[in-house]
Amino acid sequence: DAGVTQSPTHLIKTRGQHVTLRCSPISGHKSVSWYQQVLGQGPQFIFQYYEKEERGRGNFPDRFSARQFPNYSSELNVNALLLGDSALYLCASSQQGAGEQYFGPGTRLTVT
Amino acid sequence: GNSVTQMEGPVTLSEEAFLTINCTYTATGYPSLFWYVQYPGEGLQLLLKATKADDKGSNKGFEATYRKETTSFHLEKGSVQVSDSAVYFCALSEGATTSGTYKYIFGTGTRLKVLA
Repeated sequence: DAGVTQSPTHLIKTRGQHVTLRCSPISGHKSVSWYQQVLGQGPQFIFQYYEKEERGRGNFPDRFSARQFPNYSSELNVNALLLGDSALYLCASSQQGAGEQYFGPGTRLTVT
Repeated sequence: GNSVTQMEGPVTLSEEAFLTINCTYTATGYPSLFWYVQYPGEGLQLLLKATKADDKGSNKGFEATYRKETTSFHLEKGSVQVSDSAVYFCALSEGATTSGTYKYIFGTGTRLKVLA
């Protein structure tokens, strides 16, 4: 079975632009979580979605938003990009809202 | 709130040396504990986990024991290889119900460099 997949792999954007990152969970998994990993630090929780509903949100500004689709894939949107948004964005899926999370390879976003 | 503290790196060892990476946590309740490994340019791979006190997680020669009395989950390996060079993250799970948020809290990571 395929693992968690994310697209694109790399992305370069300019300050002020908008970006959309995509994630496909493991087949049968109904929950998707998003994490931001700034260089040299551990991942920080951004959002969790379960059965297409937002279950939790980390300490991130409203410029960050996400949604989950009927097929359980998910998008993370970031508006008005700042240099500080440059990071590796990780998606993780799990069968239910709770339970072990499986991480994708990430999308590396560079904001110039 | 809940938190994870890891020893600062980088840790540099010779091949076949013994490895210990310290991890302590602060948590309410009884979280599950994890060690993840991240190779350069890649995402996170689960190395091992423990779900309750005194559990020992093990994988690929790595071990860690969930110590509730010392709130620790130290990673050990008896003989490291050059291929073990990576960044290691300790993490705990926060929240455990299907109706609420369930997320991981990560430490800052410890870089391990093994020299041949």
